[in-house]
Amino acid sequence: DVKVTQSSRYLVKRTGEKVFLECVQDMDHENMFWYRQDPGLGLRLIYFSYDVKMKEKGDIPEGYSVSREKKERFSLILESASTNQTSMYLCASSLSQGGNEKLFFGSGTQLSVL
Amino acid sequence: AQSVTQLGSHVSVSEGALVLLRCNYSSSVPPYLFWYVQYPNQGLQLLLKYTTGATLVKGINGFEAEFKKSETSFHLTKPSAHMSDAAEYFCAVTPGFQKLVFGTGTRLLVSP
Repeated sequence: DVKVTQSSRYLVKRTGEKVFLECVQDMDHENMFWYRQDPGLGLRLIYFSYDVKMKEKGDIPEGYSVSREKKERFSLILESASTNQTSMYLCASSLSQGGNEKLFFGSGTQLSVL
Repeated sequence: AQSVTQLGSHVSVSEGALVLLRCNYSSSVPPYLFWYVQYPNQGLQLLLKYTTGATLVKGINGFEAEFKKSETSFHLTKPSAHMSDAAEYFCAVTPGFQKLVFGTGTRLLVSP
């Protein structure tokens, strides 16, 4: 069965801390994505990657960075966490760049920044 | 630019009743359209998708959706709701290249 694994289900951090959210997929997918999910706003794309060491900004990249050193792993980094980054973070992956491939999602990391 | 509007943040139905979740999209090119479902404490799962061809698309768990270009709509339906259908449903659009744009979601509540 295909699997996207996010390292933490719940995370509590303090403002100003550097935060790492990790995501691993076991499907040899080319594409990986980070979304944040907020009530009433749906899912918004933060960053995505089509290949190792490649990254592109999504719709809300400010305050975030990413790293993809290996094909299976895509990390989201909050350089200096702020309270407005309290959210549910969802990682996803997909096979190709065709546009009609479905996304496989992890179960999410609920981040609270105090 | 692409966008999606989901009418109604919450929809309540009785078990056995028709489910109708509305989605309207905006796209400058022929779109790919998707419905995803999120059960409590889980990530999203694909219910169904429209790419090209037949405009009535059947998905998992008895759901279907019809692409209506003239109405720019892609509403999700199920003839008879089940308690296990209670979840949040997201409509999404992409012109290609995998950069999905999601709607704000509709929470479906099913009462006995």
